[in-house]
Amino acid sequence: DTGVSQDPRHKITKRGQNVTFRCDPISEHNRLYWYRQTLGQGPEFLTYFQNEAQLEKSRLLSDRFSAERPKGSFSTLEIQRTEQGDSAMYLCASRPGQAGNEQFFGPGTRLTVL
Amino acid sequence: EDQVTQSPEALRLQEGESSSLNCSYTVSGLRGLFWYRQDPGKGPEFLFTLYSAGEEKEKERLKATLTKKESFLHITAPKPEDSATYLCAVGHGSSNTGKLIFGQGTTLQVKP
Repeated sequence: DTGVSQDPRHKITKRGQNVTFRCDPISEHNRLYWYRQTLGQGPEFLTYFQNEAQLEKSRLLSDRFSAERPKGSFSTLEIQRTEQGDSAMYLCASRPGQAGNEQFFGPGTRLTVL
Repeated sequence: EDQVTQSPEALRLQEGESSSLNCSYTVSGLRGLFWYRQDPGKGPEFLFTLYSAGEEKEKERLKATLTKKESFLHITAPKPEDSATYLCAVGHGSSNTGKLIFGQGTTLQVKP
């Protein structure tokens, strides 16, 4: 499968714990996005990488959230001291640097904070 | 502020009953209007991109159209397998990052 992959697919954690999610984009795509989606809503933008550089972060992204993309390949999203309000689907998307603005999404990581 | 509104929130159709989904948008400098399909528990699946008013694109039973203020997703003779949530998004006008602003989606149920 050459699509975007995310791991884990599901994560259940207790409030106050730290969690980390991984995203592997389509191999030739140098642009990578993280979104968050809650039930009944569309995805909301969190952050954007071009190669290894994080070029934009949403105001939604509190100090407890951090994202990295070492070497411009896979990306990780870490949430520290999780809160119940962090429960959501975390989606990763990628697109090529040129020709076309379409983003291709992974299957998402469903986070449940108890 | 860029905004996307989809209507209706939910739509129930009988198999073969054609209809349209609406996506209204306000954006400063459109950088593409995107339609996605999302099945429960899965990530959005790309369907279409439209860039200019008057543009149309088709795929099987789906046809997307674009005006200066809204887009329509027309579904002709739908089948039960077309049941899903359909998301509309715009490329953020003032951003060079290509981030997308999504509507809340229309959940379509097609009954046999």
